Amino acid sequence: EVQLLESGGGLVQPGGSLRLSCAASGFTFNNYGMSWVRQAPGKGLEWVSSITGTGGRTDYRDSVKGRFTISRDNSQNTMHLQMDSLRVEDTAVYYCARGASWLDKYWGQGVLVTVSS
Amino acid sequence: SYELTQPPSVSVSPGQTARITCSGDGLPKKYAYWYQQKSGQAPVLVIYEDTKRPSEIPERLSGSSSGTMATLTISGAQMDDEADYYCYSIDSSGNPVFGGGTKLTVL
Repeated sequence: EVQLLESGGGLVQPGGSLRLSCAASGFTFNNYGMSWVRQAPGKGLEWVSSITGTGGRTDYRDSVKGRFTISRDNSQNTMHLQMDSLRVEDTAVYYCARGASWLDKYWGQGVLVTVSS
Repeated sequence: SYELTQPPSVSVSPGQTARITCSGDGLPKKYAYWYQQKSGQAPVLVIYEDTKRPSEIPERLSGSSSGTMATLTISGAQMDDEADYYCYSIDSSGNPVFGGGTKLTVL
């Protein structure tokens, strides 16, 4: 059974940092690109970042470029999102999803990130 | 930047047919996917590659695409279908783009 489990969310002040993790199981992790998708309170889904199976290519939405860094450890079946210089508008539930360009049906349950003073 | 446009809301009576549209200039060349999201839950894929349905999704949900518009059709709508529905595709850079979402009300 495919499972994706996010962790690392919480409350952080503007300008602070947070590192999200996504632990994957039930499939050959390094065969799949992975993505982060977020959803601000009461708002729609928004793609944040993707990484290929080898980690050789990463992509980011413009609003997080230079502040967020996506990475993966294929030996640990884990993906990470390092979020620096956080802004109030980064407040959202962050989901990890299987797939890079094309997301498939496997998503985690999400982790809440709140940026507030 | 590439955009996908959905109506903010659609209402349907129980047992009737609801259609949710998604328009985007790239849709003639790129697949549309549809996600269903119920309150407080993670999104669930209901349609992929324009018309395909995961095995666990009821047959009353179907997808179609023509030109710059993709459509999610819910036949014989049930209370359980009340949810937000999001279309998504990819832009010219190969990155995911979501529509703004449509709230389906069954009443």
